[in-house]
Amino acid sequence: RKEVEQDPGPFNVPEGATVAFNCTYSNSASQSFFWYRQDCRKEPKLLMSVYSSGNEDGRFTAQLNRASQYISLLIRDSKLSDSATYLCVVNGGRDDKIIFGKGTRLHILP
Amino acid sequence: SQTIHQWPATLVQPVGSPLSLECTVEGTSNPNLYWYRQAAGRGLQLLFYSVGIGQISSEVPQNLSASRPQDRQFILSSKKLLLSDSGFYLCAWSFRTWNEGDTEAFFGQGTRLTVV
Repeated sequence: RKEVEQDPGPFNVPEGATVAFNCTYSNSASQSFFWYRQDCRKEPKLLMSVYSSGNEDGRFTAQLNRASQYISLLIRDSKLSDSATYLCVVNGGRDDKIIFGKGTRLHILP
Repeated sequence: SQTIHQWPATLVQPVGSPLSLECTVEGTSNPNLYWYRQAAGRGLQLLFYSVGIGQISSEVPQNLSASRPQDRQFILSSKKLLLSDSGFYLCAWSFRTWNEGDTEAFFGQGTRLTVV
């Protein structure tokens, strides 16, 4: 089983719709969780951290399910500018580095 | 505030030539440093990881090497480039908390390498 797994997509979603991604991770010792966004030919940028209690930032909501070992990202009222690749990131545990998933491509359609 | 610098932004090199990409971090000390490569349309591949000066772990066997001569300097090198070394190279830093492992990583702007 891969350390971090994501559906590669692409997700083609009409503007204004709600879209959700899941990401599963294999190491139960993972402590830190993040979602990154990567635009074409650019470096990845932190979108949001994922906290145990879940967290929201405007139209974006991230959740963590430790029992089932997955994190999720929900985007409401999607905009054309949300089109990007979304990367799920976890760390390997208390003494370990972060690990990136391969990313999920999102296309918002006008 | 912390910043990370990576250069050059683009590079075209002939097969068999050497390579040296440099990355420096400012505004923090003892960062954990990463080198990634991303092929066109693909995910990030971790190449090297460093937790301190002279401490490098190689994640995949390859034609590349890394060095960390100073706390905030990370260098990616090759003695002889192959066509398959083409890609988008990204340097990143993170820090390790005492109880949660590495936290979020911050990336340089990347180097787009084309081997011809």
